[in-house]
Amino acid sequence: QQKVQQSPESLIVPEGGMASLNCTSSDRNVDYFWWYRQHSGKSPKMLMSIFSNGEKEEGRFTVHLNKASLHTSLHIRDSQPSDSALYLCAAPHDTNAYKVIFGKGTHLHVLP
Amino acid sequence: ETAVFQTPNYHVTQVGNEVSFNCKQTLGHDTMYWYKQDSKKLLKIMFSYNNKQLIVNETVPRRFSPQSSDKAHLNLRIKSVEPEDSAVYLCASSETGDTEVFFGKGTRLTVV
Repeated sequence: QQKVQQSPESLIVPEGGMASLNCTSSDRNVDYFWWYRQHSGKSPKMLMSIFSNGEKEEGRFTVHLNKASLHTSLHIRDSQPSDSALYLCAAPHDTNAYKVIFGKGTHLHVLP
Repeated sequence: ETAVFQTPNYHVTQVGNEVSFNCKQTLGHDTMYWYKQDSKKLLKIMFSYNNKQLIVNETVPRRFSPQSSDKAHLNLRIKSVEPEDSAVYLCASSETGDTEVFFGKGTRLTVV
């Protein structure tokens, strides 16, 4: 069964610090990922997507993708308390495009 | 601004009762989903529809039944609820099966 694995489960960083989140798919056919963010009591919203090998930057957020290792990472620089949330990595299902697979998420806590 | 609308926001009911949740999306998307998010925030797909046709039906108990009248509406009925059904049920939509997923605010079900 296809899996999307995220690490760490929980991450605490000081305000202004760098947060690094990791995600790997067990399916060799997966070659793109989404990152979603879910604040407490809210629904998930897509933060960034990455379809090409390499790096994509949007403001303080940078996503890396290594298709060969089926690995993506999300880096948040100058972390703010408002970045505290559950970060979910998602990948398309290997055989069914209508079945997006989500990881268990990383709980990020940014301490003021 | 949320474009996937769910009702009710909360529902408390007793074991054995029947409940129905409604969902409507105004994004013009072809694909709609029901996800279940448990107390540990694990997000699992239950059903997905494309143009009101059932595409994905994960291994969920038979007491769960989705209903779609058109591609903008996807409801969920649970006959004879059980305590383990307590969760947040998230309705979502996407343009097609492998594009960004937009979530509603969720319906929190508590079974007592």
